[in-house]
Amino acid sequence: NAGVMQNPRHLVRRRGQEARLRCSPMKGHSHVYWYRQLPEEGLKFMVYLQKENIIDESGMPKERFSAEFPKEGPSILRIQQVVRGDSAAYFCASSPPPNSYEQYFGPGTRLTVT
Amino acid sequence: QQQVKQSPQSLIVQKGGISIINCAYENTAFDYFPWYQQFPGKGPALLIAIRPDVSEKKEGRFTISFNKSAKQFSLHIMDSQPGDSATYFCAASKNGGFKTIFGAGTRLFVKA
Repeated sequence: NAGVMQNPRHLVRRRGQEARLRCSPMKGHSHVYWYRQLPEEGLKFMVYLQKENIIDESGMPKERFSAEFPKEGPSILRIQQVVRGDSAAYFCASSPPPNSYEQYFGPGTRLTVT
Repeated sequence: QQQVKQSPQSLIVQKGGISIINCAYENTAFDYFPWYQQFPGKGPALLIAIRPDVSEKKEGRFTISFNKSAKQFSLHIMDSQPGDSATYFCAASKNGGFKTIFGAGTRLFVKA
């Protein structure tokens, strides 16, 4: 039973480019969460999605960031016009219905903006 | 009110010793308190969790102690081993758990 998968594992982007991070939840899991981790810090909640629905995006910056979880395929976290401050590790987690208490994390995507 | 405060920031323990990490919260609506273990370059892994209706939960060498009146909880690692060297995060969530709030983390190093 494969765990949560994220790709790419490492992503380098120049300032102004777009970053697309992908997350495939564990089999049977319909809830997906994105977190951001800055160096030497804890994880900060960004967004919670179910298939075709954004349930809570209160942790997402208002501009340049968006997330989706389509009916088919992985969840995508998209960062437009990246800036140096976007450099961080981005983790995806998933959980089975009906609630979100037990979250299983992927290995993360480490984004570096040059 | 949404914060979870974790201490110490780093911890060095001798092999075979007890590692203790503490967390405190403010929001009494939190109803689930997990601990995560993270190795360098990896994602956090759920280690053990507790609900506020019990004061202690033990799984192998890992024990959570929960003090509801003080709004504090702690992780105890008995017989600490070098393989336990990792960063540990406490967390708290409510209302189904989707918005988990993490502490800042404790970097544990167990000396052989």
